[in-house]
Amino acid sequence: NAGVTQTPKFQVLKTGQSMTLQCAQDMNHNSMYWYRQDPGMGLRLIYYSASEGTTDKGEVPNGYNVSRLNKREFSLRLESAAPSQTSVYFCASRSGAVNTGELFFGEGSRLTVL
Amino acid sequence: QKEVEQDPGPLSVPEGAIVSLNCTYSNSAFQYFMWYRQYSRKGPELLMYTYSSGNKEDGRFTAQVDKSSKYISLFIRDSQPSDSATYLCAMSYETSGSRLTFGEGTQLTVNP
Repeated sequence: NAGVTQTPKFQVLKTGQSMTLQCAQDMNHNSMYWYRQDPGMGLRLIYYSASEGTTDKGEVPNGYNVSRLNKREFSLRLESAAPSQTSVYFCASRSGAVNTGELFFGEGSRLTVL
Repeated sequence: QKEVEQDPGPLSVPEGAIVSLNCTYSNSAFQYFMWYRQYSRKGPELLMYTYSSGNKEDGRFTAQVDKSSKYISLFIRDSQPSDSATYLCAMSYETSGSRLTFGEGTQLTVNP
């Protein structure tokens, strides 16, 4: 069972470069999310997509864009990377049918911006 | 002020100890309360889920919610080295289930 798959797992960027983090889930979930995790800050929501075709800003959306490509895939793009975006990024999904609270997370993408 | 406060630790206990992990929150509208466990270099996974006030037990784990005090707890009995992880509390007030607010996480080490 693949669950939630994120690529790449590691990436080093220079300030000003752009990149896209890819996420795919094979659980037929409606909702998908992008979080970043930083020491002392916990998990913070960047963007989410409650269903295919919709996206909404979370707590820390500045500097990011997202695309819900289809029901399975939700990508996160950094147009001009900054050192403040050095973090571990997690993609997650949830069925959305009942609020059981269960988010299924990927293993994370570790990004360093120099 | 953060909506959800959680002592980051680190917390170190001997094997077999009872562990108590806690979170406080400020938004009285939160109704759904969760505990996630995160092993090193992995994504979080759901451990316990409770709705409103009360207790819920699952094996060695007990989750408590006291909405009057805006305080939630996770107890681990007979702790094992395999319980060494970061524990994150999370909560939500939307029945549509679109957003969770997480605590910072408490890093726990259980020493054999």
